[in-house]
Amino acid sequence: NAGVTQTPKFRILKIGQSMTLQCTQDMNHNYMYWYRQDPGMGLKLIYYSVGAGITDKGEVPNGYNVSRSTTEDFPLRLELAAPSQTSVYFCASSYPGGSGHNEQFFGPGTRLTVL
Amino acid sequence: GESVGLHLPTLSVQEGDNSIINCAYSNSASDYFIWYKQESGKGPQFIIDIRSNMDKRQGQRVTVLLNKTVKHLSLQIAATQPGDSAVYFCAENRSGYSTLTFGKGTMLLVSP
Repeated sequence: NAGVTQTPKFRILKIGQSMTLQCTQDMNHNYMYWYRQDPGMGLKLIYYSVGAGITDKGEVPNGYNVSRSTTEDFPLRLELAAPSQTSVYFCASSYPGGSGHNEQFFGPGTRLTVL
Repeated sequence: GESVGLHLPTLSVQEGDNSIINCAYSNSASDYFIWYKQESGKGPQFIIDIRSNMDKRQGQRVTVLLNKTVKHLSLQIAATQPGDSAVYFCAENRSGYSTLTFGKGTMLLVSP
């Protein structure tokens, strides 16, 4: 299994541009997540999905959109890039066990700079 | 609001020492805890987890201790190596909830 893969690895955007960060997992996990991590800080949840066709806002959803048309893919869309969106973005997936607990597996991240 | 937090932002140790990284949580309903390791430029990687019905769990060179009375979690790394240098995050979960709450992280620096 490749696990969780993210593309691109790096991207520089101009203010106002849009882009889609791709995330794919091949573990048949039904839960997927998007986080952002600012320098020296922890992870902040942007959006998550508990299955195809279902998405929910996390802690910092403003300026982002997601879709979940398949189990494998969970793209994150930035419509009007702003400097405040400069960050490293991590995608994660999980398959909660029978007890409902929830180890998440992370991708390698996308480093985004908005100038 | 309730949150997971860490006591020390940076911990510096000598190679071969034992390291202890601490985490405080305030949500008494949390019943599952995870420690992640994040190396520079990489995504977080699972190290070890513990459920609230346990006080201690051991892995390879790592031990997690859970004290529910004072809502405290610690990660002990035995014979710390330079390859252990990373940021360590604790995270908590509650049964039936889809998301993890992550702490701020502690950077562990291991000197040869």
